[in-house]
Amino acid sequence: EVQLVESGGGLVQTGGSLRLSCAASGFSLSDYSMKWVRQAPGKGLEWVSYISSTSSTVYYADSVKGRFTVSRDNAKNSLFLQMNNLRADDTAVYYCARGYGSASFLINLWGQGTLVTVSS
Amino acid sequence: DIVMTQSPDSLAVSLGERATINCKSSQSVLHSSNSKTYLAWYQQKPGQPPKLLIYWASTRESGVPDRFSGSGSGTDFTLTISSLQAEDVAVYYCQQHYTTPLTFGGGTKVEIK
Repeated sequence: EVQLVESGGGLVQTGGSLRLSCAASGFSLSDYSMKWVRQAPGKGLEWVSYISSTSSTVYYADSVKGRFTVSRDNAKNSLFLQMNNLRADDTAVYYCARGYGSASFLINLWGQGTLVTVSS
Repeated sequence: DIVMTQSPDSLAVSLGERATINCKSSQSVLHSSNSKTYLAWYQQKPGQPPKLLIYWASTRESGVPDRFSGSGSGTDFTLTISSLQAEDVAVYYCQQHYTTPLTFGGGTKVEIK
């Protein structure tokens, strides 16, 4: 079955760090660009980060630039998001998402999400 | 940044009736090199991740019922559900997949009247 499964979410204090992981199965991660998208409780969707299939190109939303780092390990079919200096407004469900092809900005597969709660 | 503005915020439609959702981008998402319009629509049901319905403004994703259709060009787009079914109750988002930052509309909640 083609799927994405996120892990690593949880409760963290303001200023703390978390590392999210996304395990892909049923397809080869190396063939696709990947994104992280988040959704604050009761709110809409916010794109967080993009990484191309070979990691040669990465992009971040201004709201997380300098604090979050996206990476991938194609050999392990895994995607990661290192989140540092977390703030209350980073509280959200974080979705791992797959694009169409190696450099697409479209999203055609989403994980179930992992909840990150940042509290003082 | 390309700002995506959806309207209405919510709408209630009777079963079997048409639902129309609008999305406006602050600048064109038409790529001149390939004449493709980089606009997508997603459906999100409660407690679930979003699901891709439409891309390139009007191309239906595999497996999506044909009562869902997308139209529009340039900066103005529409998602139409031709005959609303109970399982279509959800929040619908438009997204431009033209450039970063990738941006979504604020969402439109569709309910049964």
